[in-house]
Amino acid sequence: NAGVMQNPRHLVRRRGQEARLRCSPMKGHSHVYWYRQLPEEGLKFMVYLQKENIIDESGMPKERFSAEFPKEGPSILRIQQVVRGDSAAYFCASSPMRGSYNEQFFGPGTRLTVL
Amino acid sequence: TQLLEQSPQFLSIQEGENLTVYCNSSSVFSSLQWYRQEPGEGPVLLVTVVTGGEVKKLKRLTFQFGDARKDSSLHITAAQPGDTGLYLCAGASNFNKFYFGSGTKLNVKP
Repeated sequence: NAGVMQNPRHLVRRRGQEARLRCSPMKGHSHVYWYRQLPEEGLKFMVYLQKENIIDESGMPKERFSAEFPKEGPSILRIQQVVRGDSAAYFCASSPMRGSYNEQFFGPGTRLTVL
Repeated sequence: TQLLEQSPQFLSIQEGENLTVYCNSSSVFSSLQWYRQEPGEGPVLLVTVVTGGEVKKLKRLTFQFGDARKDSSLHITAAQPGDTGLYLCAGASNFNKFYFGSGTKLNVKP
């Protein structure tokens, strides 16, 4: 059973360009979470999605950022008109639905550098 | 405001020493996870604790969930350089949302 996959692992963009980050959850997992991490810091929650639904986007900036998890295909985190402050590691985690408790499994991350 | 407070933030010890990392909150969680993250990698799940008072052992690592399911500790016996990394705790709410602590950065010197 393959783990959570993210691509690309490294992404370089110039200011004003768009960044698209992809996440394929583990097989059988229908919940996806996106986090952002700055160097030497912990994980900051951005958005929680189930297939075709955004459940909680309270951690996502209101402008330029969007996320989707379509019925078919990977989850996408999209950042439009990137700025230098968007440079960070973006991690995706997937989770199964268990009856009594839940846990997440993380992908290797996408490191975004904005020049 | 951080829902989960981890302490200490940084810890630098010699190989062979013991250490404890704490994860505290005023909120109750349905479960709590501990992760270890190495530079350039994603967090790796070490353990999930579910029941108040639960103790789980993973080789030299001992995890404890508080009776009230608000706090947890991670104890490492005879630390090794391979234990070096960022240790993160995460509490899961009943609504499938996860709250992360800010992490404890551990450095074990040979």
